[in-house]
Amino acid sequence: DGGITQSPKYLFRKEGQNVTLSCEQNLNHDAMYWYRQDPGQGLRLIYYSQIVNDFQKGDIAEGYSVSREKKESFPLTVTSAQKNPTAFYLCASSMRTDHNQPQHFGDGTRLSIL
Amino acid sequence: QKEVEQNSGPLSVPEGAIASLNCTYSDRGSQSFFWYRQYSGKSPELIMFIYSNGDKEDGRFTAQLNKASQYVSLLIRDSQPSDSATYLCAVNQGYNQGGKLIFGQGTELSVKP
Repeated sequence: DGGITQSPKYLFRKEGQNVTLSCEQNLNHDAMYWYRQDPGQGLRLIYYSQIVNDFQKGDIAEGYSVSREKKESFPLTVTSAQKNPTAFYLCASSMRTDHNQPQHFGDGTRLSIL
Repeated sequence: QKEVEQNSGPLSVPEGAIASLNCTYSDRGSQSFFWYRQYSGKSPELIMFIYSNGDKEDGRFTAQLNKASQYVSLLIRDSQPSDSATYLCAVNQGYNQGGKLIFGQGTELSVKP
């Protein structure tokens, strides 16, 4: 089945540690996005990528990094510089980045501090 | 700062009633509008999108858009307990903005049997 796969489902980070969240899609979508959701809040954009080997910062990029080496994959690294990483992380993709294309989401990764 | 505003709720309606969810946005250049449903602990699921002024119907769901008033709404007819979830309004900024979505904080809907 086509879809967006995020792993792991749950992740725990120690102080000073970098962790990487995986996002893979087999929908042949061009654009991919990473969002963060805090309890009772909407989604906030961390990074997005419109094409391979290119990505842009979203509204809350500090303390995060991404890469887009393959069309199918858009991993997110939460670095030790991100002081409040506990949140629900959601990866999304869309066919194109024009205004008519909806974004579809993976099942998310819950990150917590040990 | 471009914003999307929703009443956080909770909005409580009896089973079988019409639930009305509202959203306003600040950027007049916004071109497309999406409604997502998010069950507790789950990821958002697209349920409706609308691009043109007026109404768009899909089963029990109707999206309404009024660009002059910068207002978009979602009506759920014959509400069921399974509709109980948080509904997120999202506004697309268009290609020049990377197709970014700006999300409201969501409205929690509770449908009572």
